[in-house]
Amino acid sequence: AQSVTQPDIHITVSEGASLELRCNYSYGATPYLFWYVQSPGQGLQLLLKYFSGDTLVQGIKGFEAEFKRSQSSFNLRKPSVHWSDAAEYFCAVGAPIQGAQKLVFGQGTRLTINP
Amino acid sequence: KAGVTQTPRYLIKTRGQQVTLSCSPISGHRSVSWYQQTPGQGLQFLFEYFSETQRNKGNFPGRFSGRQFSNSRSEMNVSTLELGDSALYLCASSLAGTGNNSPLHFGNGTRLTVT
Repeated sequence: AQSVTQPDIHITVSEGASLELRCNYSYGATPYLFWYVQSPGQGLQLLLKYFSGDTLVQGIKGFEAEFKRSQSSFNLRKPSVHWSDAAEYFCAVGAPIQGAQKLVFGQGTRLTINP
Repeated sequence: KAGVTQTPRYLIKTRGQQVTLSCSPISGHRSVSWYQQTPGQGLQFLFEYFSETQRNKGNFPGRFSGRQFSNSRSEMNVSTLELGDSALYLCASSLAGTGNNSPLHFGNGTRLTVT
């Protein structure tokens, strides 16, 4: 069965600084990979997804992620954060044989932005 | 296009009671998935329905059940409520046709409190 680890529970960065959120997965083959963001009291919004092909994936709101098979990682990056990026970020993995609906989520990384 | 709609937003129930939550997917989406979100366990997959049939199931007891109607709307039911069922219940829809890599689009959730 697949699993996901987000090593950082909480990260604080200054507005305008660069950001990298870490995600490591465990799965025997190439999985489906996702990053979602959740603001307080809201559902999850899809930032980006990886199914196959180009390992650098562009998403919404200026985010990107890189799939590194050798490191079993799918880290999320943004060159310059804005105060509105403060939220909780979830990495998720799906097994292609089961589809992109049955996902295993990491525990989330809470992002705080200092003005 | 309207997003995923979940009703009600908040529910307070007593132990032993049962509850029904409702989800209307994005128009044209035929798959509906349900997730439970708690501070301790994080996001956990409950089940997925496609064309009125349960296609995937998570590791939850039989007290948790669901169904999908011909218009793709879905309900989930929890019987004999326990304190540990207090959670945010998230519904997500996806196109999920013959190619099953359509990403999930989440609603804002139903906050269930069991007292």
